Amino acid sequence: GQQVMQIPQYQHVQEGEDFTTYCNSSTTLSNIQWYKQRPGGHPVFLIQLVKSGEVKKQKRLTFQFGEAKKNSSLHITATQTTDVGTYFCAGLGAGSYQLTFGKGTKLSVIP
Amino acid sequence: GAVVSQHPSRVICKSGTSVKIECRSLDFQATTMFWYRQFPKQSLMLMATSNEGSKATYEQGVEKDKFLINHASLTLSTLTVTSAHPEDSSFYICSARAPGTVSYGYTFGSGTRLTVV
Repeated sequence: GQQVMQIPQYQHVQEGEDFTTYCNSSTTLSNIQWYKQRPGGHPVFLIQLVKSGEVKKQKRLTFQFGEAKKNSSLHITATQTTDVGTYFCAGLGAGSYQLTFGKGTKLSVIP
Repeated sequence: GAVVSQHPSRVICKSGTSVKIECRSLDFQATTMFWYRQFPKQSLMLMATSNEGSKATYEQGVEKDKFLINHASLTLSTLTVTSAHPEDSSFYICSARAPGTVSYGYTFGSGTRLTVV
């Protein structure tokens, strides 16, 4: 079945440093979604990427979808303490409506 | 935006009892809802797909007789953990996708933290 690998599992950064998490799917995806889960909270949808090579930005967050639609990344510029949480990528296979989640990257920001 | 309400948020039950968790789509109709389980510091594992008016589809390894899913209306899906045991203690989350939304993301409920003692 479809698998989505995500690295790193943990990332500790100093406030102001950049942060990147990477996702890799075992199969070609129809789209990939990114979610953020704060400690004790539930996943909150951030963005969806659909097109090959797509790049989307949300303020300090930049999301990329690979040309082969099998990998994706989330980059945060100049992290803030409010960025703390676990970031999950989740892929949708062709013709599927079931999300396959990566294991997530837990981001800690040291003030 | 789309809202999914889930309750209870926390429940503690005795081993051997059953617990029902409700998931409601508040401002949209959801023909399909998803139930996930999340262990501490781990990812979300899809347990089952709940289909309105028909049987749920369970993922491999998930006991359908233990995790009963009912999706009797377009706005409500329930997950009942039957004869709960301590190993069933976990964070259970439901999700649904509002049709026609621009973002096409899935909306998650706030989750239910189940502790079986």
